[in-house]
Amino acid sequence: EAGVTQSPTHLIKTRGQQVTLRCSPISGHTSVYWYQQALGLGLQFLLWYDEGEERNRGNFPPRFSGRQFPNYSSELNVNALELEDSALYLCASSLDGYNQPQHFGDGTRLSIL
Amino acid sequence: SQKIEQNSEALNIQEGKTATLTCNYTNYSPAYLQWYRQDPGRGPVFLLLIRENEKEKRKERLKVTFDTTLKQSLFHITASQPADSATYLCALRYSSASKIIFGSGTRLSIRP
Repeated sequence: EAGVTQSPTHLIKTRGQQVTLRCSPISGHTSVYWYQQALGLGLQFLLWYDEGEERNRGNFPPRFSGRQFPNYSSELNVNALELEDSALYLCASSLDGYNQPQHFGDGTRLSIL
Repeated sequence: SQKIEQNSEALNIQEGKTATLTCNYTNYSPAYLQWYRQDPGRGPVFLLLIRENEKEKRKERLKVTFDTTLKQSLFHITASQPADSATYLCALRYSSASKIIFGSGTRLSIRP
């Protein structure tokens, strides 16, 4: 069974640019979660999508947004990139959004110059 | 606000011993609590999930306990091996519709 896949694996951008990160959940999983993990810090919850709808959002500015497609894959968009957005962005999926564990991909490493 | 603490940043133990990691939380009990393993540069790997009405869960050499009175979960690795060296994360969810909160992790090192 294929796990959660994320693309790209690495990305370098400059301040002010925009970026789109992609996530394909495990087959059969309907919920997708996005997290930010800055170097040496813990995972910070960004967004949760279930059945195409945004269900919950972490304490991040509106320039962080996303969506979930009918095939349950998801995109995370970050506008007006800032230096502190440099981090590992992790996507996780779960069988349902409420009572099942989350399974993670290996993330996209985003570096802002 | 909800807070979760993993009580040690790093833990070093001898191979073959039992490693015990602690996760403490504030406020009311979560609906469930999860433990993950994370290796450098990789995403977390799910290990165990324990629900608020469960006291203990086991999987091979792993055991998780959940004490809602102490507001604490303990994660045990028995017969530890150098390959168990990694960062272990505790994560909790207060209700089925809420966000998931992660602790900052405990870096476990098993020396041969």
